[in-house]
Amino acid sequence: QVQLQESGPGLVKPSQTLSLTCTVSGGSISRGYYFWTWIRQHPGKGLEWIGYIYNSETSYYNPSLKSRVTISADTSKNQFSLNLNSVTAADTAVYYCARDQTGGLGWFDPWGQGILVTVSS
Amino acid sequence: DIQMTQSPSSLSASVGNRVTITCRASQSISNYLNWYQQKPGKAPKVLIYDASILQSGVPSRFSGSGSGTDFTLTISSLQPEDFATYYCQQSYSTPRTFGQGTKLEIK
Repeated sequence: QVQLQESGPGLVKPSQTLSLTCTVSGGSISRGYYFWTWIRQHPGKGLEWIGYIYNSETSYYNPSLKSRVTISADTSKNQFSLNLNSVTAADTAVYYCARDQTGGLGWFDPWGQGILVTVSS
Repeated sequence: DIQMTQSPSSLSASVGNRVTITCRASQSISNYLNWYQQKPGKAPKVLIYDASILQSGVPSRFSGSGSGTDFTLTISSLQPEDFATYYCQQSYSTPRTFGQGTKLEIK
């Protein structure tokens, strides 16, 4: 079965770029027309959809973050990545990668375990 | 953006109780509504998609209903492992949006 695993630094300084990678095992990110997604959860709060990539190159972002976010894919490594620039303390959150269903049906399964990223000097 | 509002925000119940959680969308979303369960320190897990379809492996005590703007998640007989936070999420349009969550606690 497909499994996802986030990786990256747990601490980022303000104004710098947050960079995370999601490694997918048990299935290819370039097959099945899935939408590979990033979602975050501020501490003790609800869930915020960040965006997705499909066909390895087409991405769509939450307008609230669009000016700062990039999602890309590396099919040779079966990974997709999140870059969020100019971070502030408000970007401190648990970041999850997840798979949206074929054709972007809009529900997410499976999810990675999540990675806490703290923005602090 | 479509706003999703859940009620109640928290709920105390006992094992064996029947509980219902409500989710309301700020505009009609047809049946594009999904429910997730999240336990502390874990990622959310999908329970129901498209308002009423039970995800494979999810116990049948969970059920979902509704269409348009009003939806419900029902747990017919609470089990100890059901105490968690539940989120609704609309998949009608992007950006995808979630409700604020309902924390289900043991009475």
